[in-house]
Amino acid sequence: EDQVTQSPEALRLQEGESSSLNCSYTVSGLRGLFWYRQDPGKGPEFLFTLYSAGEEKEKERLKATLTKKESFLHITAPKPEDSATYLCAVTGAQKLVFGQGTRLTINP
Amino acid sequence: GAGVSQSPRYKVAKRGQDVALRCDPISGHVSLFWYQQALGQGPEFLTYFQNEAQLDKSGLPSDRFFAERPEGSVSTLKIQRTQQEDSAVYLCASSPGNTGELFFGEGSRLTVL
Repeated sequence: EDQVTQSPEALRLQEGESSSLNCSYTVSGLRGLFWYRQDPGKGPEFLFTLYSAGEEKEKERLKATLTKKESFLHITAPKPEDSATYLCAVTGAQKLVFGQGTRLTINP
Repeated sequence: GAGVSQSPRYKVAKRGQDVALRCDPISGHVSLFWYQQALGQGPEFLTYFQNEAQLDKSGLPSDRFFAERPEGSVSTLKIQRTQQEDSAVYLCASSPGNTGELFFGEGSRLTVL
């Protein structure tokens, strides 16, 4: 059974303080690993897809990396508007299996 | 519309009532998914359609849950005889193919009293 575990559950940073979120996964035949952002009261919003170990994707202050067992979402010099829940998901077939998310708070 | 539309946004039901939640996906999107999200948790898969065919319903928690997409566009998730444990946000997502890049609606928040 496909499984995704994210850590930490919650993270509070000061504005400008860089950090990383972790996503560990087990899946039979990885077809893709996905990062989504979810704001309160909203549906998840797609950020990145990673397909193979060693791959990296960047968007503004965010960079996602992938190994054979885990993915990291690096946040560089975050701003308060980066506050959200970040969800990791994997797919081995058609459906996405999500982790429980990391709730990130950036204090000004 | 520009995005996935879900209605109602909020629904309060008494235990034992039936509810129907509607999802209007992005026009032309072949794939449609329903997810259930409890407070503080990640979305949990319920069911998946490709056009009008329901290809995977393995996540439906009981036979009280039923989903349909009769014309390959709008989908309805129906919950019969609601229970308190059904309280959650029900998210609908659509995708143009099998990329895994899903476009989510804002969800329908169901509260069962």
